[in-house]
Amino acid sequence: ETGVTQTPRHLVMGMTNKKSLKCEQHLGHNAMYWYKQSAKKPLELMFVYSLEERVENNSVPSRFSPECPNSSHLFLHLHTLQPEDSALYLCASSQERVGETQYFGPGTRLLVL
Amino acid sequence: DQQVKQNSPSLSVQEGRISILNCDYTNSMFDYFLWYKKYPAEGPTFLISISSIKDKNEDGRFTVFLNKSAKHLSLHIVPSQPGDSAVYFCAASGRWAGGYQKVTFGIGTKLQVIP
Repeated sequence: ETGVTQTPRHLVMGMTNKKSLKCEQHLGHNAMYWYKQSAKKPLELMFVYSLEERVENNSVPSRFSPECPNSSHLFLHLHTLQPEDSALYLCASSQERVGETQYFGPGTRLLVL
Repeated sequence: DQQVKQNSPSLSVQEGRISILNCDYTNSMFDYFLWYKKYPAEGPTFLISISSIKDKNEDGRFTVFLNKSAKHLSLHIVPSQPGDSAVYFCAASGRWAGGYQKVTFGIGTKLQVIP
């Protein structure tokens, strides 16, 4: 596989469930990101990992918990979500240098019932 | 407060004509600007970028113009093709406290190229 992959592509969960989103990058990058895209809103940066260390937690509620076990993998653990958390969750990776572009995965479409 | 603004939610252009997508930003700390293109059910893909030290960058049918004094950039697509129909995101990049590169996205403009 090449590029950035995300699984699952679609997820429906109840408010009491626990689930995890997975992201894998095959580009040799050293930074990975989680974004949230809601309807009619810009992409919102949630978490940044640079060299496997979390460097940004953009005031994201604790019901979202990221994990970066190595430079190629990124997880987003979800628990007791709310219906307003329904959105497209995008993972991206890049080399941590000025002007380096981010490469995005296809996203996970999440619906919280 | 939106630091990157795309004020046109949608744009329709005839095939073969020029498409012009606009973007304004508020923070002069941004030093790199990017355009991404997104098809339904896919993640955004990088299209073209420009450094803040330049005012124009061209790549095939795509040209990005930067006017730093006006804090404005635009993406020109000429000639427009039906396959260009997608959502276009403007993004601005800068090095924030903590030393890492942070990218801020606009809300997107949906371009429809009519055959």
